[in-house]
Amino acid sequence: NAGVTQTPKFRILKIGQSMTLQCAQDMNHNYMYWYRQDPGMGLKLIYYSVGAGITDKGEVPNGYNVSRSTTEDFPLRLELAAPSQTSVYFCASSYPPGPRGNTIYFGEGSWLTVV
Amino acid sequence: QQPVQSPQAVILREGEDAVINCSSSKALYSVHWYRQKHGEAPIFLMILLKGGEQKGHDKISASFNEKKQQSSLYLTASQLSYSGTYFCGTEPEGGSEKLVFGKGTKLTVNP
Repeated sequence: NAGVTQTPKFRILKIGQSMTLQCAQDMNHNYMYWYRQDPGMGLKLIYYSVGAGITDKGEVPNGYNVSRSTTEDFPLRLELAAPSQTSVYFCASSYPPGPRGNTIYFGEGSWLTVV
Repeated sequence: QQPVQSPQAVILREGEDAVINCSSSKALYSVHWYRQKHGEAPIFLMILLKGGEQKGHDKISASFNEKKQQSSLYLTASQLSYSGTYFCGTEPEGGSEKLVFGKGTKLTVNP
């Protein structure tokens, strides 16, 4: 199993450009997440999905959009990139919550710089 | 509500012990601990569920005090490989689809 795969790993965007961060998982997880990580700020949830066709906002959704057409894929779209979106983005997935809680598996991250 | 971690940073010599705390203002169902090395993804360490159980993995263990809504991560006889940033993630009582992570505690273990 590859786990959670993100592309691209690094990207430089100009202000106002748009792009999509790709995320795929092969663990048959229903739940998928997008986090951003800024220095010293921990992980902030952008959007999450509990299954194909279902998405919901996290703590910091402004400036982003997501879709979930399949169980495996959960792309994150940045529209009109701004310098404030310079960050490291992590995609993650998990099984549904249950008696044992839900362990989250992270992708390797995508470093995005907006100039 | 973001859980509060303390300390923000700690520097150890190899073989020394450390404790990292994670506190929440909300009633919790579970606390998750992750470690992240620089430039890498967070890696799962352990989950603690409501009930006050203590868990351990090698020389890293953790406890969860549900009365205080606080979890502590214990690193004993630290090794160089323990260096990294430790995050706690909390799940509120009743369960949730999402974790809320603390800001992290940076642990540096020197020879």
